[in-house]
Amino acid sequence: NAGVTQTPKFQVLKTGQSMTLQCAQDMNHNSMYWYRQDPGMGLRLIYYSASEGTTDKGEVPNGYNVSRLNKREFSLRLESAAPSQTSVYFCASSQRHNSYEQYFGPGTRLTVT
Amino acid sequence: GENVGLHLPTLSVQEGDNSIINCAYSNSASDYFIWYKQESGKGPQFIIDIRSNMDKRQGQRVTVLLNKTVKHLSLQIAATQPGDSAVYFCADSNSGYSTLTFGKGTMLLVSP
Repeated sequence: NAGVTQTPKFQVLKTGQSMTLQCAQDMNHNSMYWYRQDPGMGLRLIYYSASEGTTDKGEVPNGYNVSRLNKREFSLRLESAAPSQTSVYFCASSQRHNSYEQYFGPGTRLTVT
Repeated sequence: GENVGLHLPTLSVQEGDNSIINCAYSNSASDYFIWYKQESGKGPQFIIDIRSNMDKRQGQRVTVLLNKTVKHLSLQIAATQPGDSAVYFCADSNSGYSTLTFGKGTMLLVSP
């Protein structure tokens, strides 16, 4: 099993450009999450999907949209990138919504200039 | 230009020592607590968790202690090894919401 995979690994965008970060898991997990990690800030939840067909905002949702494409895939879209969105983005999944053991992907390092 | 780096609390230990990493949480309604390890360039990895009805839980070489009175959590690593060098995060959750709130992390440096 690959676990949680994310693409791309690195990305540089200009201010105003858009892009979609892809995430897939092969563990048949119901819940999926998107976090951003900034220096000295720990991990902050952007959006999550408790189950296929549902999405909810986390702590820092502004400037992002998500799509739970199917049970395996959960994408994060930046419609108009800003320098404040420069960060490392992690996708995670868990067996169920009230499971605290989340499995993380390797991350996407995004720079917005 | 100035190099603005990651200013994390850092714990430096010698190989073979026991390490204690501390964490304070603020939400008195939190009832689940988790420790994650993050190696450089990788995603966080689950280490151990504890529910609020427990004070202590042991895993392989790791022990988590919970003091709800002062809202404090600690992770003890026995016989620390160079492979334990990483950033350690605590996280807490309220079972009514089932999302995790992460702390800022502590960097553990283990020298041989």
